[in-house]
Amino acid sequence: GAGVSQTPSNKVTEKGKYVELRCDPISGHTALYWYRQSLGQGPEFLIYFQGTGAADDSGLPNDRFFAVRPEGSVSTLKIQRTERGDSAVYLCASSLGTGGRTGELFFGEGSRLTVL
Amino acid sequence: AQSVTQLDSQVPVFEEAPVELRCNYSSSVSVYLFWYVQYPNQGLQLLLKYLSGSTLVKGINGFEAEFNKSQTSFHLRKPSVHISDTAEYFCAVTLGPGKLIFGQGTTLQVKP
Repeated sequence: GAGVSQTPSNKVTEKGKYVELRCDPISGHTALYWYRQSLGQGPEFLIYFQGTGAADDSGLPNDRFFAVRPEGSVSTLKIQRTERGDSAVYLCASSLGTGGRTGELFFGEGSRLTVL
Repeated sequence: AQSVTQLDSQVPVFEEAPVELRCNYSSSVSVYLFWYVQYPNQGLQLLLKYLSGSTLVKGINGFEAEFNKSQTSFHLRKPSVHISDTAEYFCAVTLGPGKLIFGQGTTLQVKP
């Protein structure tokens, strides 16, 4: 498709389980970002990839969160030992190389994670 | 530290009336400022941005915003709203490439 694609759109899991969220960016976009949006809040930055490498992972809340982008396209956000506080909508965005510098990010519809 | 405050969580307005959504930011350095919109069941999309130059910025769907450095504000305005403008609006400032700090959001509810 033409836009950023995120799967699954909804994920319900139990506390302590492992979860993977996938993001397929716009073709040709070299930069990819993960944000988290809790209920009633604005999105919060998690991590930014330029190509295959994480250029900035300062927003990852703790070591239970990890993200990869092995071939510089699709990215997976991985959450270990999920906690109820991890419940949120996880947003992925992509941009052309310079687009990120000027804030022009293209967002997917998000993956809603619910931890019971 | 940089932060963004959206002063209204909800703004109800009648169709064809003007609207202003308020945004204040704090920053010790020059900033780039943005408004994003999130329509129901859709992803965030860029409405407009201020990088430099003219302080009055025009965006999509008839929206505009004015950067006021002395008041550290970046309020969003539209002279006449439509039902289709009903959405969540987010003000944001950039800390670096792709690293945006968003406000809490303002829900614009346009009533017929």
